[in-house]
Amino acid sequence: GAGVSQTPSNKVTEKGKYVELRCDPISGHTALYWYRQSLGQGPEFLIYFQGTGAADDSGLPNDRFFAVRPEGSVSTLKIQRTERGDSAVYLCASSPPVSDTQYFGPGTRLTVL
Amino acid sequence: SQQGEEDPQALSIQEGENATMNCSYKTSINNLQWYRQNSGRGLVHLILIRSNEREKHSGRLRVTLDTSKKSSSLLITASRAADTASYFCATDAGGGGSNYKLTFGKGTLLTVNP
Repeated sequence: GAGVSQTPSNKVTEKGKYVELRCDPISGHTALYWYRQSLGQGPEFLIYFQGTGAADDSGLPNDRFFAVRPEGSVSTLKIQRTERGDSAVYLCASSPPVSDTQYFGPGTRLTVL
Repeated sequence: SQQGEEDPQALSIQEGENATMNCSYKTSINNLQWYRQNSGRGLVHLILIRSNEREKHSGRLRVTLDTSKKSSSLLITASRAADTASYFCATDAGGGGSNYKLTFGKGTLLTVNP
């Protein structure tokens, strides 16, 4: 079946702009996660959704970052007033109910000029 | 802060040889997972081992877990050029903590030469 999809695959923006990154999880997966991966590092946890609610947003670096999942399926990660330090690959993952395995999408590479 | 750390940072072998990568972590866990990443993009889940398991196999992969030493190893047997990738271990927050919040190490870059 279809895996996790993320759009766009690449996003180039200017410092100070607003961006939205979209994640479409695997059908039937109730849990959704966002991670950020900087060059040469492993992914770092940002936020976890169980259904529509953000169960844990402790990894969001500051209040410029926000994520929603209004209908319990697609999620959008929103970054306001982007900074060069936000440049990274943003990864989304999803899990089926009662499973600890996370299935990752291909990521969105964000470049802030 | 990083929970898991892979060792070595880079490994280069010939096709057909075995590759062993190690992971050490600091706090108790419920599960430890290994992922593969090609070209810095999406991660592919390889195997999950629970804290009460010591060894697990999947095809050419063998994972061991030693909770007393807080370490795990990933063995890839009879390597192929297509195994060239970065390999990450990921741990959750054990001891009653969350299973969902994975912490990744920096990864081991494996190069398999034809």
